[in-house]
Amino acid sequence: AQSVTQLGSHVSVSEGALVLLRCNYSSSVPPYLFWYVQYPNQGLQLLLKYTTGATLVKGINGFEAEFKKSETSFHLTKPSAHMSDAAEYFCAVSESYGGSQGNLIFGKGTKLSVKP
Amino acid sequence: GAGVSQTPSNKVTEKGKYVELRCDPISGHTALYWYRQSLGQGPEFLIYFQGTGAADDSGLPNDRFFAVRPEGSVSTLKIQRTERGDSAVYLCASSSTGQNTDTQYFGPGTRLTVL
Repeated sequence: AQSVTQLGSHVSVSEGALVLLRCNYSSSVPPYLFWYVQYPNQGLQLLLKYTTGATLVKGINGFEAEFKKSETSFHLTKPSAHMSDAAEYFCAVSESYGGSQGNLIFGKGTKLSVKP
Repeated sequence: GAGVSQTPSNKVTEKGKYVELRCDPISGHTALYWYRQSLGQGPEFLIYFQGTGAADDSGLPNDRFFAVRPEGSVSTLKIQRTERGDSAVYLCASSSTGQNTDTQYFGPGTRLTVL
């Protein structure tokens, strides 16, 4: 069965510092991987996704993530945090077989705080 | 263009009552998903529609939960005999075709509170 583990339910960084949010997955088949962001009182918004091809994926708002099969990881990074990045971030996985039925398995989320 | 909308945004009900939650997906999206997000948790899959049919309802917790999508657009999640444990945010998402690689677009959710 698939699962997603996000290390750290709460991460705090200073404005301008590196953001690193960790995600590890387990899947019996090659996965498709997603990062979503949830701002207060708003719906989940896709940051980036890995399906096939280049393992370093660039997303919106300066975020990027790298798929590392050997480490079963898909960590999210941003070189310099902005105050507006404060939100909750969710990593999710979808299995690649079957073609359709893309229901997502989510991690528990990491709440990012940015200090001035 | 319009995104996914959900109504109501908040619903407070008493234990044992029946509730309906509505989802309006993005126009033209054939796939529609329902998820449930409890406090401190990530969203959990409930049911997936491809067109009018429920292609996968394996995430529905029990037979008190039911969902329909009669015309392949709007969907309604129905919960009978509500219990306090049903309190959560119910999220709806849609995608263009339902392929595993598709982006799912989420609505703002309905916060259900069962007293």
